[in-house]
Amino acid sequence: QVQLQESGPGLVKPSETLSLTCTVSGDSFSSYYWNWIRQPPGKGLEWIGYIYHSGSTNYNPSLKSRVTMSLDTSKNQFSLRLSSVTAADTAVYYCARAAYFGELFDYWGQGTLVTVSS
Amino acid sequence: NFMLTQPHSVSESPGKTATISCTRSSGSIASNYVQWYQQRPGSSPRVMIYEDDQRPSGVPDRFSGSIDSSSNSASLSISGLKTEDEADYYCQSSDGSNWVFGGGTRLTVL
Repeated sequence: QVQLQESGPGLVKPSETLSLTCTVSGDSFSSYYWNWIRQPPGKGLEWIGYIYHSGSTNYNPSLKSRVTMSLDTSKNQFSLRLSSVTAADTAVYYCARAAYFGELFDYWGQGTLVTVSS
Repeated sequence: NFMLTQPHSVSESPGKTATISCTRSSGSIASNYVQWYQQRPGSSPRVMIYEDDQRPSGVPDRFSGSIDSSSNSASLSISGLKTEDEADYYCQSSDGSNWVFGGGTRLTVL
């Protein structure tokens, strides 16, 4: 059974960098797209970007200048860094897996709420 | 980038059929697969339909998906509505570079 689990600080100050890690268990990183998706309170889902098992990345154009994703295959983890955060970045952040580009996210983490506030 | 537009809310009675639309703003709806997710309060999204009209194992056959090239839209239909179907539903597709979600539809079963 594949499981994804997000971890990281629940509170980040404005202008600082948000950092989250997703730990994957029950499967390897091979041949999958590893994604970050967020959902502001009471709002819809927004795709942030992916890192492929090879390490290649692609980010949502609206966030591209502030996003960095990385992979640690030895720990079965991938990470998100979002710089220069504002209150608009307050959201539940999910990690999710996709087997094929553009297709379904078949496994999701439970999500972690990150609040941007001083 | 393109947008996927969904109605904010849909209401229907138990036992009836509810249909949620998802209209693509540019590019053909048929050029990239459409997925549908159900999200209950406090839970992660769950895929209900993938590749336009395919149901994952465990999803009841009351859920069906389709696309209509003439209106450049996709639809999720839920027949025999149950109170447990009350949730937010999101469509999702791509443009070859990015994944895109619709804004979501709140389904109320009353």
